[in-house]
Amino acid sequence: GIQVEQSPPDLILQEGANSTLRCNFSDSVNNLQWFHQNPWGQLINLFYIPSGTKQNGRLSATTVATERYSLLYISSSQTTDSGVYFCAGHGSSNTGKLIFGQGTTLQVKP
Amino acid sequence: DSGVTQTPKHLITATGQRVTLRCSPRSGDLSVYWYQQSLDQGLQFLIQYYNGEERAKGNILERFSAQQFPDLHSELNLSSLELGDSALYFCASSFHRTGGPGANVLTFGAGSRLTVL
Repeated sequence: GIQVEQSPPDLILQEGANSTLRCNFSDSVNNLQWFHQNPWGQLINLFYIPSGTKQNGRLSATTVATERYSLLYISSSQTTDSGVYFCAGHGSSNTGKLIFGQGTTLQVKP
Repeated sequence: DSGVTQTPKHLITATGQRVTLRCSPRSGDLSVYWYQQSLDQGLQFLIQYYNGEERAKGNILERFSAQQFPDLHSELNLSSLELGDSALYFCASSFHRTGGPGANVLTFGAGSRLTVL
């Protein structure tokens, strides 16, 4: 099956800083998604980004499927951005087995 | 509120016991997924149901079973519990009956935190 690797594993930022999180996948992946898990454990779907670029407020994401990576940009970070960011995708079978990376743990300090 | 409802939110039980976790998907979603999140294993896919039928199976132990009922809610049964089964169990849903783009977009519930003592 596909392997999903995220970097960096941990990130500490000062409020107001920008950051880029990366997701590499071992094989072609379908339905690439980014999630944020807040400190209370809730998983929120940030982007469905199989290819191209999308923006939602201070967050944007880009997937280059041909080069097997996706990036999540966080601009002007806030303390509420803290938590774990996961990327996930389906392998070629496109079934329900959405494979998650190990996540990037982000801490934004005031 | 994501629209996916999971009960109970917290559960503490003893080794050897059996528990049932319940999930109601977003209104109109046909597919339900179960994931286990433990500290050392990350988010692991367990099983998917689509409109009552098993669609995909992941690393689900034989001691665990699931089903999706005609009203589309799902239950995950965990039996002969071990200490290592302590984890956060998530349900997610997708595939709205009206179709549309992003059918594979998953919406997660708040999770059920299971502690086995």
